[in-house]
Amino acid sequence: SYVLTQPPSVSVAPGQTARITCGGDNIRTKTVHWYQQKPGQAPMLVVYDDSDRPSGIPERFSGSNSGNTASLTISRVEAGDEADYYCQIWDGIVDHVIFGGGTKLTVL
Amino acid sequence: QVQLVQSGAEVKKPGASVKVSCKASGYTFTNYDIIWVRQATGQGLEWMGWMSPNSGATGYAQKFQGRVTMTRNTSISTAYMELSSLRSEDTAVYYCARADGDHNRPFDYWGQGTLVTVSS
Repeated sequence: SYVLTQPPSVSVAPGQTARITCGGDNIRTKTVHWYQQKPGQAPMLVVYDDSDRPSGIPERFSGSNSGNTASLTISRVEAGDEADYYCQIWDGIVDHVIFGGGTKLTVL
Repeated sequence: QVQLVQSGAEVKKPGASVKVSCKASGYTFTNYDIIWVRQATGQGLEWMGWMSPNSGATGYAQKFQGRVTMTRNTSISTAYMELSSLRSEDTAVYYCARADGDHNRPFDYWGQGTLVTVSS
């Protein structure tokens, strides 16, 4: 079955740029969505359809998808961005939702 | 505003079943699929399946086939997820979420989560 691979952790200083990757075989042919989850809270959609932002999500959050890697980029990182981030696709071959393992973003 | 409100925490013994509800408001319940995701403590998100409130059609993750049942009551805009033959590994927070369209779209609204504890 299709596997999405994320780094377990990413660390970044405030004001810098964080890039969280999501690797998958030819993932560019998939549509990728990204969720942010803070401790004790439900996940929240931050990027959908590879690079679109829901209303209310700051422009600092952006996404891309090419080759075998999709990415979530957070510019001008703030302390409030510290959270777990998950990528997600729909695998139409088996009609299943697939989540990546999640990446813990630490703001130093 | 769109809201998904889930039922409260449950404690169950191994072998029992649990039924979690998810009440939708602020939108037309039958226009958007409901998906269920669970998360064990300290672990990642695990998709369990989807249900169309309009037709009642369902699709379950292979891992849960035969143990999970997703249903709905459209008159009260509520979706249900029942998991049977519970074991300790089923201890987790269970979330419902709305798919922005059908089940292969992003999940734009989530319930607050329901903690299910399986313990003898």
